Amino acid sequence: EAGVTQFPSHSVIEKGQTVTLRCDPISGHDNLYWYRRVMGKEIKFLLHFVKESKQDESGMPNNRFLAERTGGTYSTLKVQPAELEDSGVYFCASSQDFASGLHNEQFFGPGTRLTVL
Amino acid sequence: GQSLEQPSEVTAVEGAIVQINCTYQTSGFYGLSWYQQHDGGAPTFLSYNALDGLEETGRFSSFLSRSDSYGYLLLQELQMKDSASYFCAVRGGNYGQNFVFGPGTRLSVLP
Repeated sequence: EAGVTQFPSHSVIEKGQTVTLRCDPISGHDNLYWYRRVMGKEIKFLLHFVKESKQDESGMPNNRFLAERTGGTYSTLKVQPAELEDSGVYFCASSQDFASGLHNEQFFGPGTRLTVL
Repeated sequence: GQSLEQPSEVTAVEGAIVQINCTYQTSGFYGLSWYQQHDGGAPTFLSYNALDGLEETGRFSSFLSRSDSYGYLLLQELQMKDSASYFCAVRGGNYGQNFVFGPGTRLSVLP
């Protein structure tokens, strides 16, 4: 079974540019989460999708960040325009639905390292 | 606000037992998870406690006391490969829809 994949693995952009990160969750996983880790600090929750619906986006820093999950499969996280403080590693994670009883086990992707210059 | 506290670093020798504590203050509590992350890698799930008590999975055990807002991860028979960062995370929010991670504890296992 393929794990969670993320693309790109690294991205270096200049301040003011736009970047779109992609996450492909494990097939069949309804729950999809985005997280960010900045400079070795804590892993910060950004938002949570159940299928195509946003359940919680309380962690999104500001309106420069836009996440979508059209069709309830893969998800994208767009940063526009990027600022220096957006640099960090962006992780995506997925888990099974609540009915499975396994929804608490999140499978993380390898992350996208974003550097804003 | 929401906050979790963990020791920043722990050092132990191979074969020893180490306990990593986690205290939390969150809005809503549904359970406490533990994740392991090696340098440059992705966090991997270790355990989840929704109820008070001890859960054992091989060399790792996790404990939760909801009344004390406290939990710990116990690692036994330490191996060099256990050197990594360990994060506790609370499933919270109004209906358990979000996760708050602790700052992480860096465990170094010495020969």
